[in-house]
Amino acid sequence: QVQLQESGPGLVKPSQTLSLTCSVSGGSISSGSYYWNWIRQPAGKGLEWIGRAHTSGTTTYNSSLKSRVTISVDTSKNQFSLKLSSVTAADTAVYYCARAYYYNRSGGTTFDPWGQGTLVTVSS
Amino acid sequence: DIQMTQSPSSLSASEGDRVTITCRASQNIGSFLDWFQQKPGKAPKLVIFGASSLRAGVPSRFNGSGSGTDFTLTVSSLQPEDLASYYCQQSYSTPYTFGQGTKLEI
Repeated sequence: QVQLQESGPGLVKPSQTLSLTCSVSGGSISSGSYYWNWIRQPAGKGLEWIGRAHTSGTTTYNSSLKSRVTISVDTSKNQFSLKLSSVTAADTAVYYCARAYYYNRSGGTTFDPWGQGTLVTVSS
Repeated sequence: DIQMTQSPSSLSASEGDRVTITCRASQNIGSFLDWFQQKPGKAPKLVIFGASSLRAGVPSRFNGSGSGTDFTLTVSSLQPEDLASYYCQQSYSTPYTFGQGTKLEI
């Protein structure tokens, strides 16, 4: 079964760029019509979808973060990545990667599975 | 953006109880509604997709229903392992959005 694992620095300075990688195991990132997503959760708060990428190069971002976000897929390494620029303390959160797949022909997609999450703290 | 509103924010119940969590969307989202379970310190896990389809491996005591703007997640007989927060999420349109969560205490 497919498993996802996030990795990257746990501490980022304000104004710098947050960079995370999600490694996919148990299956090829290129197989099937999947979207590869990033979702975050500040401590004690709810979930915020950041954006997604497809192996075709198509990306979709949350407009609240769009100017600062880049999500890309590296099929040679079977992983995808998140870059969030100009970070502030408000970007401190647990960051999750998740696969989205279509479950019907009407276009319904769902997030399954998720990585275990990685805490990123923005602080000087 | 589509706003998702859950109620209640927290719920205290006993083992064996039947509990219901509701989720309302700010516009018609058809059946593009999923439910996730998040245990403390863990990643969310899919419970229900497409408003009413049970993910493989999830106990049959979990049931999802609804369409349009109003949805419910029901646990028919609460078990201690169901202690978690539950989130609804719409996949009708991007940006995908989540409800604020319901914390279930047993």
